[in-house]
Amino acid sequence: EVQLVESGGGLVQPGRSLRLSCATSGVTFDDYAMHWVRQAPGKGLEWVSGITWNSDTTDYADSVKGRFTISRDNAKNSLYLEMKSLRAEDTALYYCAVYDNSGHGFFPHWGQGTLVTVSS
Amino acid sequence: DIQLTQSPSSLSASVGDRVSLTCRASQTISNFLNWYQQKPGKAPELLIYGASSLQSGVPSRFSGSGSGTDFTLTIGSLQPEDFATYYCQQSHSNSPTFGQGTKLEIK
Repeated sequence: EVQLVESGGGLVQPGRSLRLSCATSGVTFDDYAMHWVRQAPGKGLEWVSGITWNSDTTDYADSVKGRFTISRDNAKNSLYLEMKSLRAEDTALYYCAVYDNSGHGFFPHWGQGTLVTVSS
Repeated sequence: DIQLTQSPSSLSASVGDRVSLTCRASQTISNFLNWYQQKPGKAPELLIYGASSLQSGVPSRFSGSGSGTDFTLTIGSLQPEDFATYYCQQSHSNSPTFGQGTKLEIK
């Protein structure tokens, strides 16, 4: 069974930093690209960032570019998101997701999310 | 960036109804279009990939069609567990994007 477990969320003041983690099991982690997708309270899904299987390429939504950094540790089957200069509009549930781009890129596996609240 | 527009934003239907949800892309994306279902408090689940391929384990009452810019998700006969929010997602560009969602509610 594939499991993705996010952690590291919480309440943080504007301008501060936070690091999210995603521990995976049941999937050959280094076979897949990995992504972060977020969902603000009561809103839709917003893609945040992605990283290739070997960390060769990373990509970011314009809304987080220059503030967020995605990384992975294939030896630990884990994905990370370093978030700096946080803003109120970054408040959301952050999901990590496996990205299968072997044919058509899609997200077959998701975690349950970790909640980030940016507020003073 | 490729924009996806879903319609309608919300839809009321009854158990047993056949419903179709639409997703339109701002530029042609071939068949790089996927559909997800999300229930309250849960993560999204993949239903359809490549516009028309059914994900393993998904009931056959779900089907997808379309190519280019216009896509449709059809639910053949609504079941109580199908009332949820549905999102489309494109993978034509390196940066995936999602539609704003269609909320399917019980009439």
